[in-house]
Parts: sequence; C-alpha cells; structure tokens
Amino acid sequence: DIVMTQSPDSLAVSLGERATINCKSSQSVLHSSNNKNYLGWFQQKPGQPPRLLIYWASTRESGVPDRFSGSGSGTDFTLTISSLQAEDVAVYYCHQYYSIPHTFGQGTKLEIK
Amino acid sequence: EVQLVESGGGLVQPGGSLRLSCAASGFTFSKYIMHWVRQVPGKGLVWVSRIDNDGSTTHYADSVKGRCTISRDNAKNTLHLQMNSLRAEDTAVYYCVRDLDGYNYWGQGALVTVSS
Repeated sequence: DIVMTQSPDSLAVSLGERATINCKSSQSVLHSSNNKNYLGWFQQKPGQPPRLLIYWASTRESGVPDRFSGSGSGTDFTLTISSLQAEDVAVYYCHQYYSIPHTFGQGTKLEIK
Repeated sequence: EVQLVESGGGLVQPGGSLRLSCAASGFTFSKYIMHWVRQVPGKGLVWVSRIDNDGSTTHYADSVKGRCTISRDNAKNTLHLQMNSLRAEDTAVYYCVRDLDGYNYWGQGALVTVSS
C-alpha cells in the first residue's frame, strides 16, 4: 500500500498570509503512460463531506478559488493557499488514486492565528 | 446538478448486517467508476471499495474483504454496499463517491454504528 504522510499535522496562519501543506507518498504516484500524478487534495469542514480542490496534483477543480494551488511530482507534493481567508479553516487531506488501495494522508488542521 | 444521496445507515449489533444505498442523479451514472469511503467521526478518510462503471470489476480494502460486497444497478442509478459480520471498528460515516480525475463528488454520508 502507498502511505501518504502529511506535514504538519496542524497549522495556524494569519489572515492574508500564505499557508503551505506538504504531502509525501511512500512511492511515486506519477504514471509513466500519461505523465500524470495521481494525487488530489481535499478540504473538509465540520459536518460536511470532503470537497475536491486539486486533482492531477496541480489542476484546480471547477469553482475552487485561485488562491488554492497544488504542486509537486513523483513523491513530494504541496498545497498552497496564497492568502488565507476565514472560510479556509478546515482539515485538508492529500489522496493518491494511483493504485488500489487508494489512500489518504492523515489530514492537516488549518486554523487562524 | 450532481447529487449522491446515501441511505440505509443506522445502529446494528456486532455480527449483524446492513445494506447501504446511494442514489445518483444529475449525471450519466453508468459512465462512472464509483467508490465507498468511510470516516470515523473526528478521524481521517479511509477508502473501502471501488466498482467499475459496468460493475464488472470490484476492489476492497483488506479490512472489509470477505465481509462487504459492492454492487450497482445502472438502470436505477444506484450504488450499494452490503456489509456483513459487522464489527465495532466498522462504525463510521460511509460516503458514496464519484470518480472522474479524482474523487470529484461526494454524498453527505450515512452513519453506521455497530454496538450492542
């Protein structure tokens, strides 16, 4: 199984500042056949299901604000929120869909400083 | 509008069975791979099972293999998860998820509680 490890576990950032969450996979999730990283990022607020923010490691889902961006390739990935807004308080998960069983990171709790 | 609505959750005794359903609407259900993902309240996300668009291929997490069966009825736009021999550690919210370039639509979830 591919193990997904996020850092940090929790993060406090001031409004308007940048937030960065890292995700490392135990093996590459880059598929050689199409040169795509099978890596997604989700946001989950209390009482709600997860919401897809980023897929293919760096493609923003429709309707997601452009302050959210994803980067990285192979085994190391980053979710960046360029200017934190109050509504961004949530738990964020990375997710690999490269191989079964699909696996998630443990989550990063993002709060306002 | 894409909608996924789970049903069938509830309280069940250890060793019991439950069948979850997910009613899909707003898209051509038969074209999409579907998954079940669960989450213990306050904890992380865990993938449970996957089914191909035509139901021909299924996959399961080791934790549920042999106890759960995923299926779909494309004529009724419905996904199912039959869960048998339930254990306390199966207690979780179960989400129905559509797969297109990642898990792009999730239902609101159905709570399954296994307790005596």
